[in-house]
Amino acid sequence: EAGVTQFPSHSVIEKGQTVTLRCDPISGHDNLYWYRRVMGKEIKFLLHFVKESKQDESGMPNNRFLAERTGGTYSTLKVQPAELEDSGVYFCASSQVSGETNEKLFFGSGTQLSVL
Amino acid sequence: GNSVTQMEGPVTLSEEAFLTINCTYTATGYPSLFWYVQYPGEGLQLLLKATKADDKGSNKGFEATYRKETTSFHLEKGSVQVSDSAVYFCALMNTGFQKLVFGTGTRLLVSP
Repeated sequence: EAGVTQFPSHSVIEKGQTVTLRCDPISGHDNLYWYRRVMGKEIKFLLHFVKESKQDESGMPNNRFLAERTGGTYSTLKVQPAELEDSGVYFCASSQVSGETNEKLFFGSGTQLSVL
Repeated sequence: GNSVTQMEGPVTLSEEAFLTINCTYTATGYPSLFWYVQYPGEGLQLLLKATKADDKGSNKGFEATYRKETTSFHLEKGSVQVSDSAVYFCALMNTGFQKLVFGTGTRLLVSP
C-alpha cells in the first residue's frame, strides 16, 4: 500500500513567486492535514480536511496561503506571494475516519521550501 | 493553551549508551501523548503513544510513561544503536481535537 506522497520534495523559489505543494493521502483516508516546521522550530498545525471540507483552518498563518482538496482526494497548498519566512518543511498527513481522537496519522516525507 | 517543551539537541551518544530525551507539556484537559521520529530523508513516524496517566508506551526498545503529576513524557532507551540516529518529536493531542501539538524536536546522533 502506498503511503502519503508529497511533491515536490524540494522547492527553491524567489520572494514574491508562487509555489504549489501537493499531497496525495493514503487511498480511502478522509482526513488530511497540513503541518509545517519553520526554521527548525516546532511542527505547527496548519489545517485539517475531512473529505473536501475544511474542518479546521485555525493554523493557516495568513491569506497568502490557500489549501484545496477538490474531490476529496489529493490536496494542494499554494503560497502566493511567497515570503522569506515561509521557508520550512511542509508535512502532509492522513488518517481514516474513526471518530476517535487518537486515530493514527500517517505522514509524508515533507516538502522542503526555500524562499530566497 | 497547549504546548510541548522538549530538550534541545543535538544529543550525541555512543552506541549502547542509555538515552533519555525529556518532554514536558502544558494542556487544557486530558491529552494523549506521543513520540514521533523522523529518520533522515523520511517522513514522521509514530514511535509510541500513551492515552492516560501511568500508561507506558513502548516500541523498538523505546519507552515513555505518561506522568500526570509532573506533566512529563520522557523518552528512554536502554541501549541505543547507530540506526536510532534521527529527530525525535514529542507531541500531544487533546480529547475532542484532531490536531497534534508538537515540541521543537531533538536530534539524536549515535556514533559507533
